[in-house]
Amino acid sequence: EDQVTQSPEALRLQEGESSSLNCSYTVSGLRGLFWYRQDPGKGPEFLFTLYSAGEEKEKERLKATLTKKESFLHITAPKPEDSATYLCAVDPGNQFYFGTGTSLTVIP
Amino acid sequence: NAGVTQTPKFQVLKTGQSMTLQCAQDMNHEYMSWYRQDPGMGLRLIHYSVGAGITDQGEVPNGYNVSRSTTEDFPLRLLSAAPSQTSVYFCASSYSAGTKNIQYFGAGTRLSVL
Repeated sequence: EDQVTQSPEALRLQEGESSSLNCSYTVSGLRGLFWYRQDPGKGPEFLFTLYSAGEEKEKERLKATLTKKESFLHITAPKPEDSATYLCAVDPGNQFYFGTGTSLTVIP
Repeated sequence: NAGVTQTPKFQVLKTGQSMTLQCAQDMNHEYMSWYRQDPGMGLRLIHYSVGAGITDQGEVPNGYNVSRSTTEDFPLRLLSAAPSQTSVYFCASSYSAGTKNIQYFGAGTRLSVL
């Protein structure tokens, strides 16, 4: 059964305190792994797509990496505006499977 | 460029009522989908479409109906609303259902069924 698990459920960081979010997955044939950001009351906003183990992508303070079993979203020197819920999704074919997300709060 | 537009933004229904959630995209995307988001459950796929005239069921299709008569529109119908359908509904679209697709989401419809 295709499954996506994100940890931790919630994370509180001081501004400037770097950390990582984890997304572990079990799918039969991964075609892509996606990271989204979701702000309260809004729809998910696309951040990154990773397609093969070893791939890395960066955007400002965020860096996503992929292995055969998990992906990490590294946040370097976060700012309060990085506070949001971060969602991970996998695409094994015609359907996306989402994790339950990590709620990140960055305290000034 | 409007992207994915969902209407209404909020809706309150009584048990047994029916309604249609509207979704439109202006990006000429082939693939469109509906999700529901519940606390602690993540986004779950209800129905999806790979093109006009083609629809299929997702993970949680019961109680919902869809059709796709045009590339732009993908409405979601609640046949007889139940309190268990209280949720936030998101519509998404992408160029294709195959490899390297990126789904773009609407702002959501918040539905309460009393």
